[in-house]
Amino acid sequence: NAGVTQTPKFQVLKTGQSMTLQCAQDMNHNSMYWYRQDPGMGLRLIYYSASEGTTDKGEVPNGYNVSRLNKREFSLRLESAAPSQTSVYFCASSRESSPYGYTFGSGTRLTVV
Amino acid sequence: SQQGEEDPQALSIQEGENATMNCSYKTSINNLQWYRQNSGRGLVHLILIRSNEREKHSGRLRVTLDTSKKSSSLLITASRAADTASYFCATSGGSYIPTFGRGTSLIVHP
Repeated sequence: NAGVTQTPKFQVLKTGQSMTLQCAQDMNHNSMYWYRQDPGMGLRLIYYSASEGTTDKGEVPNGYNVSRLNKREFSLRLESAAPSQTSVYFCASSRESSPYGYTFGSGTRLTVV
Repeated sequence: SQQGEEDPQALSIQEGENATMNCSYKTSINNLQWYRQNSGRGLVHLILIRSNEREKHSGRLRVTLDTSKKSSSLLITASRAADTASYFCATSGGSYIPTFGRGTSLIVHP
């Protein structure tokens, strides 16, 4: 009963480095999402994937790319990290019109120095 | 924007007391959800209320929705120290994707 699994849990990057955040869900959900959470800002949607094979931009997509590798996995890539991308990143999944809401992973705390 | 705004930003109560937090939003919605986030953890879904519903209960949680006032409230009865967390409302309109508010930080003192 893993739910949504994110890796890594913590990461420190230097400005300009790249990295990929991994997310996998085992609930057979169609939709997956990447959010960032900053103090006082709530959660902001970066990208989402309504179904396997599709991805769309959210509120704050600049500086990020995503890949929906298959139904289970949705990765977030930072090509050239910037200090403004220091944040906590959450992956979530849902049935498209689920009455049960989203299931969130435990987050990745990323610091860019 | 559909974004809900929670009020108050912070709430501090004693164990056993009731905690009430509110969410206001600007445009019509299809549903509104409440989530809890414990420190350093992901969000956990608590309850979803649809726009044609006025009240829902789940254990010690009671959620109301007043679409005429564009507001919702979350009541936690008989609070426990373990209820200490941040609580977020999330609204969904034409798109099924919810927009989250900034949260209410609840501290329950033992």
